[in-house]
Amino acid sequence: ILNVEQSPQSLHVQEGDSTNFTCSFPSSNFYALHWYRWETAKSPEALFVMTLNGDEKKKGRISATLNTKEGYSYLYIKGSQPEDSATYLCAFNRDDKIIFGKGTRLHILP
Amino acid sequence: DGGITQSPKYLFRKEGQNVTLSCEQNLNHDAMYWYRQDPGQGLRLIYYSQIVNDFQKGDIAEGYSVSREKKESFPLTVTSAQKNPTAFYLCASSDRGFDEQYFGPGTRLTVT
Repeated sequence: ILNVEQSPQSLHVQEGDSTNFTCSFPSSNFYALHWYRWETAKSPEALFVMTLNGDEKKKGRISATLNTKEGYSYLYIKGSQPEDSATYLCAFNRDDKIIFGKGTRLHILP
Repeated sequence: DGGITQSPKYLFRKEGQNVTLSCEQNLNHDAMYWYRQDPGQGLRLIYYSQIVNDFQKGDIAEGYSVSREKKESFPLTVTSAQKNPTAFYLCASSDRGFDEQYFGPGTRLTVT
């Protein structure tokens, strides 16, 4: 059974603080790991697609790392801002399958 | 503007009726997908298509049907055989199969 676990389920962070959360996935037959940001009342928006072990990607204050051997990816947000409030989804892709995690709901406190 | 459109935003149907959800993209993407979201669950793949006139079942295809007669369109029919059709449905597309996906705004279907 393919399962993607995200933790924590929900997170409250003070504005200006940095934070990170985790996505765990099966380590065998890996093809790609996706991160999406889903703001309320909007569509999910792609952040990163990562394919290589050791990959690190960055977009502004958000970055992600990938460890395919142990089956995890971290998403980091530096200096959280109110606009970072969203649900962050990761999705694991292999063998023409894509499995989404339940997401980490991030709330930025003013 | 390039993007994906889904219509309608809200849809109400009586039990036993089939209903078709629309998804159109003008991104010239080869691949298109349908997902379902239920409270407390991750997005689950219903059907996907990597090329015109071809589509594959996802994890929860029972009670659904699709067609891909045109590159830009991938309508989803929720049939009366779908036991729990009330859900939020998202359509997405990507340049190639399972690349970075672009999502539509979603359709919330309520069946009573």
